Amino acid sequence: DQQVKQNSPSLSVQEGRISILNCDYTNSMFDYFLWYKKYPAEGPTFLISISSIKDKNEDGRFTVFLNKSAKHLSLHIVPSQPGDSAVYFCAASSYNQGGKLIFGQGTELSVKP
Amino acid sequence: DADVTQTPRNRITKTGKRIMLECSQTKGHDRMYWYRQDPGLGLRLIYYSFDVKDINKGEISDGYSVSRQAQAKFSLSLESAIPNQTALYFCATSDSIAGAVDTQYFGPGTRLTVL
Repeated sequence: DQQVKQNSPSLSVQEGRISILNCDYTNSMFDYFLWYKKYPAEGPTFLISISSIKDKNEDGRFTVFLNKSAKHLSLHIVPSQPGDSAVYFCAASSYNQGGKLIFGQGTELSVKP
Repeated sequence: DADVTQTPRNRITKTGKRIMLECSQTKGHDRMYWYRQDPGLGLRLIYYSFDVKDINKGEISDGYSVSRQAQAKFSLSLESAIPNQTALYFCATSDSIAGAVDTQYFGPGTRLTVL
């Protein structure tokens, strides 16, 4: 049973526009969420995270929004650049589980010039 | 030099063979993890280790075993490989921070094909 779901396998966006990647979760015990970015032939790299005590976290062009009542989070990239083309994974954890992460299926973002 | 290295990077083997994937890290982290990635399924945790004497099963440990030889080394074994173990395997490490969720750092992956 998939506890973290990314229902869009792929997304295509024009350079300069906003990219919005979505993630839903089912386990209400999750209290920490992360986004990882993965290029081909490389391992995932950490991008941004958010604790459940917040509803927004921003880092440069990247913003993560958390809606706890809907069990939904989203990653906004503004403006999108061709170098952002990658697979993005959403992950969730809880503080009392130590470092264990549950990952979504991933969304492949393509930013076209 | 990369902080988390995996060997081999690619491996093709036959059904029934024993195979070992190795992971080394220079980050000085206590915690190490093994994941597999399959198309449409994301990354799934196979085993994890919070220190040298601590080994735990993840969500898909059947058919796999691990060994934590030292703080810096964590190896994954397939005792008798089968075709549905064909996947991309990632090792990750993290530091233990009390009361916080650790950021995990991933190796470059090992592409394993079982014929």
